[in-house]
Amino acid sequence: ETGVTQTPRHLVMGMTNKKSLKCEQHLGHNAMYWYKQSAKKPLELMFVYNFKEQTENNSVPSRFSPECPNSSHLFLHLHTLQPEDSALYLCASSQITGELFFGEGSRLTVL
Amino acid sequence: AQRVTQPEKLLSVFKGAPVELKCNYSYSGSPELFWYVQYSRQRLQLLLRHISRESIKGFTADLNKGETSFHLKKPFAQEEDSAMYYCALSGSARQLTFGSGTQLTVLP
Repeated sequence: ETGVTQTPRHLVMGMTNKKSLKCEQHLGHNAMYWYKQSAKKPLELMFVYNFKEQTENNSVPSRFSPECPNSSHLFLHLHTLQPEDSALYLCASSQITGELFFGEGSRLTVL
Repeated sequence: AQRVTQPEKLLSVFKGAPVELKCNYSYSGSPELFWYVQYSRQRLQLLLRHISRESIKGFTADLNKGETSFHLKKPFAQEEDSAMYYCALSGSARQLTFGSGTQLTVLP
């Protein structure tokens, strides 16, 4: 598998559930990102990790909790979400100053 | 703060016609501008960046600092150009800020 891979591709969860989104990159990049893509809004940057260290938290609610155990893996832990959190969550990776490579996204529906 | 504005949510042109997707930005320093594209059922991918000054798939974009614009142009649109196009800006913090996107439809 090459590039940026996200799992699961689709997730339906209730507001009381706990789930996680996973992202893996095989490009040797040092930076990884979570973006949120909603139907009527621009792509919103959520979190940035450079060399496994979080360098950006774009005022994201605490019900979203990122984890970056190494430079190749990025998780987004979800708990007690709201229906308005339903969106496409995109993972991306890059060298520090380079082009972003995106995954195909995880489509989240919160009931 | 950095901001990217794409005024057109939807744009339709006929095949063979010229197309221009507008992008304006707000940033106090020297920005790096990009165009990303998302074809149907494909992932978001880089189309071009202003520093490379190259033409990709017939598209070009010129950074106009006076007008703070980075419009994407193609002289003769093709049906396979139908896609969602996002303008993006990278400032000093090297974080990409995206516009809201323009859905381009090229009609036969």
